[in-house]
Amino acid sequence: LAKTTQPISMDSYEGQEVNITCSHNNIATNDYITWYQQFPSQGPRFIIQGYKTKVTNEVASLFIPADRKSSTLSLPRVSLSDTAVYYCLVAPQGAAGNKLTFGGGTRVLVKP
Amino acid sequence: KAGVTQTPRYLIKTRGQQVTLSCSPISGHRSVSWYQQTPGQGLQFLFEYFSETQRNKGNFPGRFSGRQFSNSRSEMNVSTLELGDSALYLCASSPDGSQDYGYTFGSGTRLTVV
Repeated sequence: LAKTTQPISMDSYEGQEVNITCSHNNIATNDYITWYQQFPSQGPRFIIQGYKTKVTNEVASLFIPADRKSSTLSLPRVSLSDTAVYYCLVAPQGAAGNKLTFGGGTRVLVKP
Repeated sequence: KAGVTQTPRYLIKTRGQQVTLSCSPISGHRSVSWYQQTPGQGLQFLFEYFSETQRNKGNFPGRFSGRQFSNSRSEMNVSTLELGDSALYLCASSPDGSQDYGYTFGSGTRLTVV
């Protein structure tokens, strides 16, 4: 499974846009990029998944450049409740069996 | 629909004891995976069960074991508890174990070993 690198932490303010970039230089052709959000004492929650270009849902957008060696999770107009740890994962779709490797994640602190 | 249910939410055990944690996946999901989360090591994969069979296993000692029942509910057992086993134990369910639509995690069981 491809190794990922993310910033350890980021601070932001309410109403701002937060962009978290994840590096995955050895991503494989059949790998997809998935982001999870985790609040304290809860399990991670699936946010968004993509393969290339841009994916958007009601929560976030995911930007993936053509070489796919990095990806950026964009959280528009964050609120205090978006304070959490965000994990970037790279793994093949349709892979038999779950053995996802979570990295250290990015701790996002949203200030008032 | 109901989410992933883990019981109990909190547990305090003494060194040397054993413990059993339970996970009920989303209805229809056949894959259940277990993770250990600690401040120092982060989220680490323990094992995955699919249709009552262990399909994948992480790098944990044999004291950590699990099983899955015909209704897809899963239990995880830790024997001869050590202080370092104190952690948040999470289970995740998915229809077939693939990450095509993401995994759904439970809220976890917080285990404290004293």
